[in-house]
Amino acid sequence: AQTIHQWPVAEIKAVGSPLSLGCTIKGKSSPNLYWYWQATGGTLQQLFYSITVGQVESVVQLNLSASRPKDDQFILSTEKLLLSHSGFYLCAWSLEGLGASAETLYFGSGTRLTVL
Amino acid sequence: AQKVTQTQTSISVVEKTTVTMDCVYETRDSSYFLFWYKQTASGEIVFLIRQDSYKKENATVGHYSLNFQKPKSSIGLIITATQIEDSAVYFCAMREVGASGSWQLIFGSGTQLTVMP
Repeated sequence: AQTIHQWPVAEIKAVGSPLSLGCTIKGKSSPNLYWYWQATGGTLQQLFYSITVGQVESVVQLNLSASRPKDDQFILSTEKLLLSHSGFYLCAWSLEGLGASAETLYFGSGTRLTVL
Repeated sequence: AQKVTQTQTSISVVEKTTVTMDCVYETRDSSYFLFWYKQTASGEIVFLIRQDSYKKENATVGHYSLNFQKPKSSIGLIITATQIEDSAVYFCAMREVGASGSWQLIFGSGTQLTVMP
């Protein structure tokens, strides 16, 4: 069975400090991977999308960057955090192609980020 | 612009009753996918059910079903025999193909469902 693991579970960081959030998917080869951001009480906003190792597309950058160094790993980072980066970050995966489950996104448990 | 609209911000029902949550969408795509997700109090996002636009039959999974009205661009979620643990925020979402060919899942603003004993 596939599993998706996000780390860390929560972070409290200072404005201007760097950030790195991670996500690992096990049990699926070559998944599509996504980063989403949710402000408190808000909707989910897609940030990045990756269909293969080394390739990442930006949807909304928010002064963040993403990388996919391995087939099963997706990293979200920034060198300087802003107050507006606070929120809930979710990683998700999907499969391309045909089939009842294709193209449905499945989410990790998320990382709560507080920037002070 | 392609978007997903949920006008009901919150709904309260008594357990064991049926509830319907509304969602309307706008898209230029001739083929698209619609989804409903649930976000629990812990923040977990759980996939519930989907409707492929080319399918005429309304999807059903367990006590979740959809009311798909394509001419009205509407995809309602129906939960029958509600339980206390159905209390959550429910998001409607639509797959959109972006200008670069990549695709996004666009979410509505969510509906908070409270199921009371």
